[in-house]
Amino acid sequence: GAGVSQSPSNKVTEKGKDVELRCDPISGHTALYWYRQSLGQGLEFLIYFQGNSAPDKSGLPSDRFSAERTGGSVSTLTIQRTQQEDSAVYLCASSLQGRSYGYTFGSGTRLTVV
Amino acid sequence: QQPVQSPQAVILREGEDAVINCSSSKALYSVHWYRQKHGEAPVFLMILLKGGEQKGHEKISASFNEKKQQSSLYLTASQLSYSGTYFCGTGYNDYKLSFGAGTTVTVRA
Repeated sequence: GAGVSQSPSNKVTEKGKDVELRCDPISGHTALYWYRQSLGQGLEFLIYFQGNSAPDKSGLPSDRFSAERTGGSVSTLTIQRTQQEDSAVYLCASSLQGRSYGYTFGSGTRLTVV
Repeated sequence: QQPVQSPQAVILREGEDAVINCSSSKALYSVHWYRQKHGEAPVFLMILLKGGEQKGHEKISASFNEKKQQSSLYLTASQLSYSGTYFCGTGYNDYKLSFGAGTTVTVRA
């Protein structure tokens, strides 16, 4: 596609429910990243995909968080038993592989846990 | 490993210049710069690589001092459209970036 697409754009959920956030990267971008941005804060790394594998999951805050990527394309970030501290904007980015390429970010999913 | 950005915020009048700094406590592989407008996605501005290579999409300039593990972004003759929050992303390997807390730039007419 022309850009990185994320859905939903907004999600309000009750504490304890599970949520799924979707990311559709730019076609041909083998690298895919999930970051989290809390209000007024910087971007916190969550997970990195190279193709369908995730060689770096070091940023996932707890075992309630998981992510997968299928077909080297769409990725889903799942948060189980949501807590209020999970409220944030979840950003997905994709890039060509290698250190000399910039990221293209999606517009994010704003998650609010009530 | 989060880089430190300074200043936290800056207010400019159109036409004025500003410098945003990004410092790392570890040796850097690369530095990225992004700008985020309120409610929008961060947009890639420039990448600086160890060894001197630079790649960017806009008419902006930046420097990368490998010895000091620092990068600076130069906003010259600022325009209203330069307003936003600027983030530096520091790379310590060939894929992952750690982002600073951001510098909020406000350009006034």
